Amino acid sequence: KAGVTQTPRYLIKTRGQQVTLSCSPISGHRSVSWYQQTPGQGLQFLFEYFSETQRNKGNFPGRFSGRQFSNSRSEMNVSTLELGDSALYLCASSWAGGNEQFFGPGTRLTVL
Amino acid sequence: DAKTTQPPSMDCAEGRAANLPCNHSTISGNEYVYWYRQIHSQGPQYIIHGLKNNETNEMASLIITEDRKSSTLILPHATLRDTAVYYCIVRVNDMRFGAGTRLTVKP
Repeated sequence: KAGVTQTPRYLIKTRGQQVTLSCSPISGHRSVSWYQQTPGQGLQFLFEYFSETQRNKGNFPGRFSGRQFSNSRSEMNVSTLELGDSALYLCASSWAGGNEQFFGPGTRLTVL
Repeated sequence: DAKTTQPPSMDCAEGRAANLPCNHSTISGNEYVYWYRQIHSQGPQYIIHGLKNNETNEMASLIITEDRKSSTLILPHATLRDTAVYYCIVRVNDMRFGAGTRLTVKP
């Protein structure tokens, strides 16, 4: 069974731009969660989607948004990029959100 | 959500058991204890989880105290490939990772 895939793996943007990251969960998984990882703040929860609905949200500004499609694939968008948004963005999927999560390799975003 | 406290770092000799403690004194009755690890530059990997009873799988054992205020992850025979950051998380709806414990397994 294929694992969680994330595209792109690496991305370079400049301040003020916007970016969209994609996550394809493991087949059959309906929950997708997003995390931001930085050296200073560690792993921080962004949001979770289940059956196309945002079920939980972390403490991030409204510039961070996401969505989930009917096939459970998910995208997250960051608008008006800031230097501090440079991070590894991780996506994780699970059957229903309440059990073990399987993480993808992440997308490393660099904002210049 | 309950918070967790873990030592920032630990060393373990290869072949010996690694015992990683976690304090979660504010855990509520319906919160599970989860353990994940992250090997450098990779996404976190699920290890084990439990509610009240001790649990064991092919990777590790999880010992939860009777009052559920703390737990210990046991890697029975640590190898060099177990060097990673280990995260203890208590969870109902979403996972809040702390700083974790950086475990270094030494030859």
